[in-house]
Amino acid sequence: AQTVTQSQPEMSVQEAETVTLSCTYDTSENNYYLFWYKQPPSRQMILVIRQEAYKQQNATENRFSVNFQKAAKSFSLKISDSQLGDTAMYFCAFVVASGSRLTFGEGTQLTVNP
Amino acid sequence: NAGVMQNPRHLVRRRGQEARLRCSPMKGHSHVYWYRQLPEEGLKFMVYLQKENIIDESGMPKERFSAEFPKEGPSILRIQQVVRGDSAAYFCASSPPVAGGLRAKNIQYFGAGTRLSVL
Repeated sequence: AQTVTQSQPEMSVQEAETVTLSCTYDTSENNYYLFWYKQPPSRQMILVIRQEAYKQQNATENRFSVNFQKAAKSFSLKISDSQLGDTAMYFCAFVVASGSRLTFGEGTQLTVNP
Repeated sequence: NAGVMQNPRHLVRRRGQEARLRCSPMKGHSHVYWYRQLPEEGLKFMVYLQKENIIDESGMPKERFSAEFPKEGPSILRIQQVVRGDSAAYFCASSPPVAGGLRAKNIQYFGAGTRLSVL
């Protein structure tokens, strides 16, 4: 069974600063995909970034980047130049390449302060 | 291109009633997934469907819950004889078909969810 762990229930950051959210996962599979989703107060689930396990290069999307450490089974999200609109619950998620179901962590509530 | 549409956004039911949650996938998407989010928790997989077929229902409770995705029309998640513990946000996601069976490569796009409250 796959598990995803987010050890930081809550985090806060000042506007324009950088913050890193942690995520670890456990699997015996070698080929899989990792995601970060954002859930703002509207509760809409929004994809932030995706990483394919067979790619060594870390994914980046504008101000969002990941630090993917496959051997350590770690997948952290870095948000640069934080904006007030980044305030949301952030979920790390995992799916094996041969499967379909996403397994989510418990989430990290990020608050960006002005 | 409209996103994944879920309705209603909010649904209130009394214990023992039936709840029907609807999900229209994005245009061109033939794969639908349902997830449940209990208060203060992450999303938990319930069921994965393709048109007219249930592919994986290993996350569905054995009783009172059912799902369908007919050839025409939205996917329906049905909860019979609701209890207070069914109160949660129910999310639907969709993804397009992928050649070669590499379903997981595709991103799942989520709807805004239906918040079910059982009185």
